[in-house]
Amino acid sequence: DIVMTQSPDSLPVSLGERATINCKSSQSVLFNSNNMNYLAWYQQKPGQPPKLLFYWASARESGVPDRFSGSGSGTHFTLTISSLQAEDVAVYYCQQYYSIPWTFGQGTKVEIK
Amino acid sequence: QVQLQESGPGLVEPSQTLSLTCTVSGDSISRGYYFWNWIRQVPGRGLEWMGYIDNGGSTYYNPSLTSRLTMSVDTSKNQFSLRLNSVTAADAAIYYCARYDDRLDYWGQGALVSVSS
Repeated sequence: DIVMTQSPDSLPVSLGERATINCKSSQSVLFNSNNMNYLAWYQQKPGQPPKLLFYWASARESGVPDRFSGSGSGTHFTLTISSLQAEDVAVYYCQQYYSIPWTFGQGTKVEIK
Repeated sequence: QVQLQESGPGLVEPSQTLSLTCTVSGDSISRGYYFWNWIRQVPGRGLEWMGYIDNGGSTYYNPSLTSRLTMSVDTSKNQFSLRLNSVTAADAAIYYCARYDDRLDYWGQGALVSVSS
C-alpha cells in the first residue's frame, strides 16, 4: 500500500495569514504515460463529508476559492491557503488514487491562532 | 446536481452482516464510466477507502477487506450497495458513498453504523 503522510498534524494560523500543508507519498503517484499525479486534496468540516478541493494534484474543483492552491509532483505535494479565512477551519486530507488500495493521509487540522 | 444518499441500519450486532445502499439522483448510475465507491471513517479518525464498483459490476476492493466485502449495483434503481460480513467493533464508523470521475467528486452525507449486541 502507498502510505500518505501529512505534516503537520495541527496547524494554527492567524486570519489572513498563509497556511501550508505537506503531503508525502511512500512511492511516486506520477503516472508516466500521461504525466498526471494521481493525488487529490479534500476539506472536511465537522459533521460533513469530505469536499474535493483539487485533483491531479493541482486541478482546482469548480467553486473552490482561488486562495487555495495545490502543487507538487511525484512524492511531495503541498496544499496552500494564501490568506486564511474563518470558514477554512477544517481538517484537510490528501489522497492517492494511483494504485489500489487508494489511501488517505492522516489529516491536518487547520485552526485559528 | 448529482446527489448520493446512504441508507441502512444504524446498528448491527457483532458477527452479523452490515448492509448499506447508496441511492444516486441527478444522474444515471449507468451513464459514463464512473466508479462508485464506499469509504468509511471512524468518528474523529481518518478515512479508509473500502472499494468501488463500476456500472458493469466490476469491483475493486481494499485487500484488507476483500474476504468480508461484497459490492453490487442495481442500475434499474440507480443504486449501489455494500455488504460487510462478520462485523466487529472495529467496523463501527461513518460510511460514505462517493462517485469517482477522475476524482471523488460527489459524496453522500454519510451513514453512522454502530456495532453492538
